[in-house]
Amino acid sequence: KQEVTQIPAALSVPEGENLVLNCSFTDSAIYNLQWFRQDPGKGLTSLLLIQSSQREQTSGRLNASLDKSSGRSTLYIAASQPGDSATYLCAVRPRDSSYKLIFGSGTRLLVRP
Amino acid sequence: KAGVTQTPRYLIKTRGQQVTLSCSPISGHRSVSWYQQTPGQGLQFLFEYFSETQRNKGNFPGRFSGRQFSNSRSEMNVSTLELGDSALYLCASSGTQEVFEDEQFFGPGTRLTVL
Repeated sequence: KQEVTQIPAALSVPEGENLVLNCSFTDSAIYNLQWFRQDPGKGLTSLLLIQSSQREQTSGRLNASLDKSSGRSTLYIAASQPGDSATYLCAVRPRDSSYKLIFGSGTRLLVRP
Repeated sequence: KAGVTQTPRYLIKTRGQQVTLSCSPISGHRSVSWYQQTPGQGLQFLFEYFSETQRNKGNFPGRFSGRQFSNSRSEMNVSTLELGDSALYLCASSGTQEVFEDEQFFGPGTRLTVL
Protein backbone atom coordinates (compact mmCIF):
# COMPACT_ATOMS: atom_id res chain seq x y z
CA LYS A 1 0.00 0.00 0.00
CA GLN A 2 1.41 3.36 -1.08
CA GLU A 3 2.18 5.79 1.74
CA VAL A 4 3.47 9.33 1.42
CA THR A 5 5.35 11.08 4.20
CA GLN A 6 6.42 14.70 4.49
CA ILE A 7 9.08 15.91 6.88
CA PRO A 8 9.18 18.26 8.68
CA ALA A 9 5.54 18.85 9.60
CA ALA A 10 6.27 22.52 10.23
CA LEU A 11 9.12 24.86 9.39
CA SER A 12 9.83 28.48 10.33
CA VAL A 13 12.58 30.39 8.51
CA PRO A 14 13.66 34.04 8.16
CA GLU A 15 12.94 35.82 4.92
CA GLY A 16 15.56 35.33 2.22
CA GLU A 17 16.60 31.85 3.29
CA ASN A 18 16.77 28.99 0.80
CA LEU A 19 14.89 25.93 2.01
CA VAL A 20 14.11 22.32 1.14
CA LEU A 21 10.91 20.42 1.79
CA ASN A 22 11.00 16.65 1.73
CA CYS A 23 8.54 14.05 0.48
CA SER A 24 8.99 10.29 0.56
CA PHE A 25 6.83 7.48 -0.80
CA THR A 26 6.94 3.76 -0.22
CA ASP A 27 6.19 2.35 -3.68
CA SER A 28 8.19 3.50 -6.71
CA ALA A 29 5.44 2.41 -9.13
CA ILE A 30 4.06 5.87 -9.83
CA TYR A 31 3.02 7.81 -12.92
CA ASN A 32 4.03 11.16 -11.47
CA LEU A 33 4.41 13.31 -8.38
CA GLN A 34 2.81 16.70 -7.92
CA TRP A 35 3.59 19.48 -5.45
CA PHE A 36 0.79 21.73 -4.25
CA ARG A 37 0.45 24.81 -2.10
CA GLN A 38 -2.53 25.38 0.19
CA ASP A 39 -3.32 28.64 1.95
CA PRO A 40 -5.47 28.40 5.11
CA GLY A 41 -9.05 27.40 4.29
CA LYS A 42 -8.40 27.45 0.57
CA GLY A 43 -8.06 24.93 -2.23
CA LEU A 44 -4.85 23.48 -3.63
CA THR A 45 -2.68 25.33 -6.11
CA SER A 46 -0.55 23.14 -8.33
CA LEU A 47 3.11 24.15 -8.23
CA LEU A 48 5.03 21.51 -10.14
CA LEU A 49 4.32 18.16 -11.78
CA ILE A 50 7.13 15.67 -12.30
CA GLN A 51 6.53 12.66 -14.51
CA SER A 52 8.13 9.37 -13.45
CA SER A 53 10.62 9.61 -16.33
CA GLN A 54 11.81 13.06 -15.25
CA ARG A 55 14.38 14.02 -12.62
CA GLU A 56 13.37 17.61 -11.94
CA GLN A 57 11.11 20.50 -12.82
CA THR A 58 11.59 24.23 -12.28
CA SER A 59 9.21 27.14 -12.04
CA GLY A 60 10.58 30.51 -10.99
CA ARG A 61 12.10 30.20 -7.51
CA LEU A 62 10.84 26.63 -7.16
CA ASN A 63 12.69 23.48 -8.13
CA ALA A 64 11.39 19.98 -7.53
CA SER A 65 13.41 16.82 -7.91
CA LEU A 66 12.34 13.20 -8.09
CA ASP A 67 14.36 10.09 -7.28
CA LYS A 68 11.90 7.32 -7.97
CA SER A 69 14.24 4.48 -7.07
CA SER A 70 14.74 5.80 -3.54
CA GLY A 71 11.15 7.02 -3.20
CA ARG A 72 12.06 10.65 -2.58
CA SER A 73 11.21 14.09 -3.85
CA THR A 74 12.37 17.49 -2.69
CA LEU A 75 10.93 20.95 -3.24
CA TYR A 76 13.58 23.66 -3.16
CA ILE A 77 12.43 27.24 -2.57
CA ALA A 78 15.03 29.90 -3.26
CA ALA A 79 15.13 33.28 -1.54
CA SER A 80 12.00 32.66 0.52
CA GLN A 81 9.46 35.47 1.02
CA PRO A 82 6.66 35.98 3.57
CA GLY A 83 4.18 35.34 0.75
CA ASP A 84 5.54 31.79 0.51
CA SER A 85 3.98 31.03 3.91
CA ALA A 86 1.50 28.21 3.35
CA THR A 87 1.15 24.45 3.65
CA TYR A 88 2.98 22.48 0.96
CA LEU A 89 1.63 19.09 -0.03
CA CYS A 90 3.09 16.41 -2.24
CA ALA A 91 1.00 13.74 -3.92
CA VAL A 92 1.81 10.69 -6.03
CA ARG A 93 -0.28 9.08 -8.72
CA PRO A 94 0.11 5.31 -8.24
CA ARG A 95 0.65 3.10 -11.27
CA ASP A 96 -2.32 0.95 -10.33
CA SER A 97 -5.14 2.34 -12.46
CA SER A 98 -6.83 3.75 -9.37
CA TYR A 99 -7.23 7.23 -10.91
CA LYS A 100 -6.41 8.89 -7.62
CA LEU A 101 -3.69 10.90 -5.89
CA ILE A 102 -2.23 9.84 -2.57
CA PHE A 103 -1.23 12.81 -0.46
CA GLY A 104 1.28 13.42 2.26
CA SER A 105 0.18 15.27 5.37
CA GLY A 106 1.99 18.45 4.32
CA THR A 107 4.66 20.79 5.62
CA ARG A 108 3.43 24.04 7.16
CA LEU A 109 5.88 26.78 6.21
CA LEU A 110 6.19 30.16 7.92
CA VAL A 111 8.57 32.72 6.44
CA ARG A 112 9.26 35.46 8.99
CA PRO A 113 9.83 39.04 7.74
CA LYS B 1 -9.33 30.11 -19.01
CA ALA B 2 -11.55 29.70 -15.95
CA GLY B 3 -10.37 27.35 -13.22
CA VAL B 4 -12.28 24.68 -11.37
CA THR B 5 -15.32 26.13 -9.63
CA GLN B 6 -17.21 24.70 -6.68
CA THR B 7 -20.54 25.71 -5.23
CA PRO B 8 -21.52 26.50 -2.62
CA ARG B 9 -18.35 27.64 -0.87
CA TYR B 10 -19.79 27.20 2.61
CA LEU B 11 -22.58 25.05 4.00
CA ILE B 12 -23.97 24.52 7.47
CA LYS B 13 -26.22 21.51 7.99
CA THR B 14 -27.54 19.52 10.93
CA ARG B 15 -27.12 15.83 11.60
CA GLY B 16 -29.41 13.63 9.55
CA GLN B 17 -29.80 16.07 6.69
CA GLN B 18 -28.42 15.52 3.22
CA VAL B 19 -26.29 17.81 1.09
CA THR B 20 -25.33 18.18 -2.56
CA LEU B 21 -22.08 19.81 -3.66
CA SER B 22 -21.32 20.88 -7.21
CA CYS B 23 -18.11 21.07 -9.23
CA SER B 24 -17.51 22.52 -12.68
CA PRO B 25 -14.19 21.40 -14.19
CA ILE B 26 -11.89 23.39 -16.41
CA SER B 27 -13.33 23.67 -19.89
CA GLY B 28 -12.36 20.62 -21.93
CA HIS B 29 -11.46 18.48 -18.93
CA ARG B 30 -13.36 15.22 -18.69
CA SER B 31 -12.00 13.72 -15.46
CA VAL B 32 -13.35 14.95 -12.12
CA SER B 33 -12.18 13.69 -8.75
CA TRP B 34 -13.44 14.43 -5.26
CA TYR B 35 -11.43 14.55 -2.03
CA GLN B 36 -12.31 15.09 1.62
CA GLN B 37 -9.87 17.05 3.77
CA THR B 38 -9.99 16.95 7.56
CA PRO B 39 -7.37 17.92 10.15
CA GLY B 40 -7.18 14.38 11.44
CA GLN B 41 -7.16 12.34 8.22
CA GLY B 42 -5.71 14.80 5.73
CA LEU B 43 -6.75 14.49 2.10
CA GLN B 44 -8.66 11.32 1.25
CA PHE B 45 -9.92 10.22 -2.15
CA LEU B 46 -13.70 9.92 -2.51
CA PHE B 47 -14.31 9.05 -6.19
CA GLU B 48 -13.34 9.80 -9.77
CA TYR B 49 -15.50 10.22 -12.85
CA PHE B 50 -14.64 10.25 -16.53
CA SER B 51 -17.23 10.77 -19.24
CA GLU B 52 -20.11 10.17 -16.80
CA THR B 53 -18.60 6.87 -15.54
CA GLN B 54 -17.33 6.33 -12.03
CA ARG B 55 -13.97 4.66 -12.44
CA ASN B 56 -12.97 4.39 -8.81
CA LYS B 57 -14.38 4.94 -5.34
CA GLY B 58 -12.49 5.48 -2.12
CA ASN B 59 -13.10 3.83 1.20
CA PHE B 60 -16.16 5.81 2.26
CA PRO B 61 -19.63 4.57 3.30
CA GLY B 62 -22.47 4.37 0.84
CA ARG B 63 -23.87 7.65 2.19
CA PHE B 64 -21.34 9.32 -0.09
CA SER B 65 -22.31 9.24 -3.74
CA GLY B 66 -21.65 11.22 -6.86
CA ARG B 67 -22.39 11.60 -10.50
CA GLN B 68 -21.10 13.34 -13.58
CA PHE B 69 -23.14 14.96 -16.30
CA SER B 70 -22.58 15.02 -20.05
CA ASN B 71 -21.00 18.50 -19.78
CA SER B 72 -18.46 17.04 -17.28
CA ARG B 73 -19.93 18.93 -14.33
CA SER B 74 -20.08 16.74 -11.26
CA GLU B 75 -22.08 16.58 -8.07
CA MET B 76 -21.50 14.71 -4.88
CA ASN B 77 -24.18 13.91 -2.35
CA VAL B 78 -23.89 13.01 1.29
CA SER B 79 -27.00 11.61 2.94
CA THR B 80 -27.79 11.26 6.63
CA LEU B 81 -25.05 13.66 7.66
CA GLU B 82 -22.90 12.89 10.69
CA LEU B 83 -20.75 15.26 12.74
CA GLY B 84 -17.65 13.55 11.31
CA ASP B 85 -18.61 14.62 7.80
CA SER B 86 -17.56 18.18 8.63
CA ALA B 87 -14.68 18.83 6.27
CA LEU B 88 -13.38 20.73 3.27
CA TYR B 89 -14.53 18.95 0.13
CA LEU B 90 -12.25 19.49 -2.83
CA CYS B 91 -12.84 18.79 -6.47
CA ALA B 92 -10.10 18.32 -9.04
CA SER B 93 -10.18 18.13 -12.80
CA SER B 94 -7.67 16.92 -15.31
CA GLY B 95 -7.07 16.00 -18.86
CA THR B 96 -8.64 16.18 -22.18
CA GLN B 97 -7.84 12.52 -22.73
CA GLU B 98 -7.90 9.37 -20.65
CA VAL B 99 -4.28 9.56 -19.57
CA PHE B 100 -2.64 9.12 -16.18
CA GLU B 101 0.09 11.68 -16.62
CA ASP B 102 -2.18 14.70 -16.48
CA GLU B 103 -1.75 17.49 -13.98
CA GLN B 104 -4.56 17.78 -11.45
CA PHE B 105 -6.17 21.19 -10.90
CA PHE B 106 -8.16 21.79 -7.75
CA GLY B 107 -11.08 24.06 -7.00
CA PRO B 108 -11.42 26.32 -3.92
CA GLY B 109 -13.42 23.70 -2.03
CA THR B 110 -16.73 23.60 -0.17
CA ARG B 111 -16.51 23.95 3.60
CA LEU B 112 -19.21 21.75 5.13
CA THR B 113 -20.05 22.11 8.81
CA VAL B 114 -22.42 19.60 10.40
CA LEU B 115 -24.01 20.66 13.68
